[in-house]
Amino acid sequence: EVQLVESGGGLVQPGRSLRLSCAASGFTFDDYAMHWVRQAPGKGLEWVSGISGNSGNIGYVDSVKGRFTISRDNAKNSLYLQMNSLRAEDTALYYCAKIVGAGGFVDGMDVWGQGTTVTVSS
Amino acid sequence: QSALTQPRSVSGSPGQSVTISCTGTSSDVGGYNYVSWYQQHPDKAPKLMIYDVSKRPSGVPGRFSGSKSGNSASLTISGLQAEDEADYYCCSYAGSYTYVFGTGTKVTVL
Repeated sequence: EVQLVESGGGLVQPGRSLRLSCAASGFTFDDYAMHWVRQAPGKGLEWVSGISGNSGNIGYVDSVKGRFTISRDNAKNSLYLQMNSLRAEDTALYYCAKIVGAGGFVDGMDVWGQGTTVTVSS
Repeated sequence: QSALTQPRSVSGSPGQSVTISCTGTSSDVGGYNYVSWYQQHPDKAPKLMIYDVSKRPSGVPGRFSGSKSGNSASLTISGLQAEDEADYYCCSYAGSYTYVFGTGTKVTVL
């Protein structure tokens, strides 16, 4: 069974850091681009960052550039999001998601985890 | 990276058809054939319904279809069913390995 399980969320003060992880199973992890998508309480979906299978292509939404870093460890079938200088507006449920097609980057996201909650508050 | 524009809500009776629009720009929807649509029920993770404008993943009912014209894309649900009541989001590739989601549409089955 294809599965994604996020972890690492929690309550953190503004300006501090947090590292999210996403453990993948059931598919050849390094064949697929992966993405982080967040959803603030009661709000819509927002794409945060994406990374290709070989880590050669990476993108970020403007609001997190310079603060967040996406990475992956294909040997561990894991995706990460290092979040620094956190702000109240980063409070959200963070999902990791897998791309439909092997070797691609721009397809739809066909497998999602259940998310991990990040709350930024003093 | 402005969110794509969707109607806040649409509604229809069971068996009817509803269409949700998704309007962007030539830098996202209009520039690429990489529009996807997601269904999200309350407190659930999003589910992919359409990708690459009009492709349907395995397991998604045939009553869901997608199209695109210029800077706008659409999702049509034909033969609306009670379980289709949910929030729907469009998403487009926006170049330079970035994506943008739509504002979301609540579909109500009357």
